[in-house]
Amino acid sequence: NAGVTQTPKFQVLKTGQSMTLQCAQDMNHEYMSWYRQDPGMGLRLIHYSVGAGITDQGEVPNGYNVSRSTTEDFPLRLLSAAPSQTSVYFCASRNPRGLAGGEQYFGPGTRLTVT
Amino acid sequence: AQRVTQPEKLLSVFKGAPVELKCNYSYSGSPELFWYVQYSRQRLQLLLRHISRESIKGFTADLNKGETSFHLKKPFAQEEDSAMYYCALLNFNKFYFGSGTKLNVKP
Repeated sequence: NAGVTQTPKFQVLKTGQSMTLQCAQDMNHEYMSWYRQDPGMGLRLIHYSVGAGITDQGEVPNGYNVSRSTTEDFPLRLLSAAPSQTSVYFCASRNPRGLAGGEQYFGPGTRLTVT
Repeated sequence: AQRVTQPEKLLSVFKGAPVELKCNYSYSGSPELFWYVQYSRQRLQLLLRHISRESIKGFTADLNKGETSFHLKKPFAQEEDSAMYYCALLNFNKFYFGSGTKLNVKP
């Protein structure tokens, strides 16, 4: 199993450009999440999904859109990039049931710079 | 509102010394708490969760509801423990992470 994969690994955008960060998992996990990691602030939840067709906002959703058309994929869209969105983005997935329900599997991250 | 606080950004200890990484939380119900770890050039991964009451790689963490704390402890640190450690709280499908503590174990 590849686990959770993210593309691209690095990206530089200009202010106002749009892009989609891709995330896929092959573990048949129902739950998927997007986080951003900023120095001194840890990981903050952007959006999450509890299953195909169901998404909800996290702590810092502004400027980002998500959709979940399949169990495997959970893309994150930046509609109009701003310098404040410069960050490292992590995707994660988990099976919510049982004792293992709290274990999130993380992707390798995407380092995004907005100039 | 839920909040997870890790007061130390950096903790440096010598090999063989005891380690305690602090985590305090604010939550009105019964929390589900976790420690996640990120080793250099590796992905963030689960270290342990409070409901399992387990010891992983010699680390333990006890939930103290009175002090709203979930400190991570290890009696004898090893160089391979050097990593970034995050405390996290799960509430209704949302995870809230602390700002992280970088543990540096010196030889």
